[in-house]
Amino acid sequence: EPEVTQTPSHQVTQMGQEVILRCVPISNHLYFYWYRQILGQKVEFLVSFYNNEISEKSEIFDDQFSVERPDGSNFTLKIRSTKLEDSAMYFCASRATSSYNEQFFGPGTRLTVL
Amino acid sequence: GESVGLHLPTLSVQEGDNSIINCAYSNSASDYFIWYKQESGKGPQFIIDIRSNMDKRQGQRVTVLLNKTVKHLSLQIAATQPGDSAVYFCAERYSSASKIIFGSGTRLSIRP
Repeated sequence: EPEVTQTPSHQVTQMGQEVILRCVPISNHLYFYWYRQILGQKVEFLVSFYNNEISEKSEIFDDQFSVERPDGSNFTLKIRSTKLEDSAMYFCASRATSSYNEQFFGPGTRLTVL
Repeated sequence: GESVGLHLPTLSVQEGDNSIINCAYSNSASDYFIWYKQESGKGPQFIIDIRSNMDKRQGQRVTVLLNKTVKHLSLQIAATQPGDSAVYFCAERYSSASKIIFGSGTRLSIRP
């Protein structure tokens, strides 16, 4: 069964450093998302991406964040200068064109900012 | 504003019994209500959705009920199994957007 994959599973970084979180969405999906989940809290939407551009973003997704689809398979989230409060689990998701509500989530990358 | 929340943070159910997980929402403009399941160490997994103009929708062992009068959503799981142990999130989506707005989760634990 096709699945979304994410690397690394755990990233530890120093405050102020740049991190890139990587995702490989399901191959025939065209809509991509990043969400985050601070420990013990609900899942929060960050950004949606379609046709090589951001289609929607939340207030969390400020100028420190960027997304890119560098090739036909990868989808990345970059945090330019990490802050302590960026520590969270980051989930990538993708969906098929016809399934608006069924988003397929990856296993997540746990980001720890020290 | 956007607000989807849950009545109870934890629910303990005897294996084989039915589980009912409840959720309150405040935004009547949502077009879809959705349930996701999150097992430990994994990302959320879609369970079932319901359009706002429906009252009930059934899936395999799950039923979602929507009461728009009191802005209440519930997920019923029939014959609960150990594999149902997870955190369950209710969520919503507007037709004009593709993002999913998650509520707070309810942890479902199964007693043997």
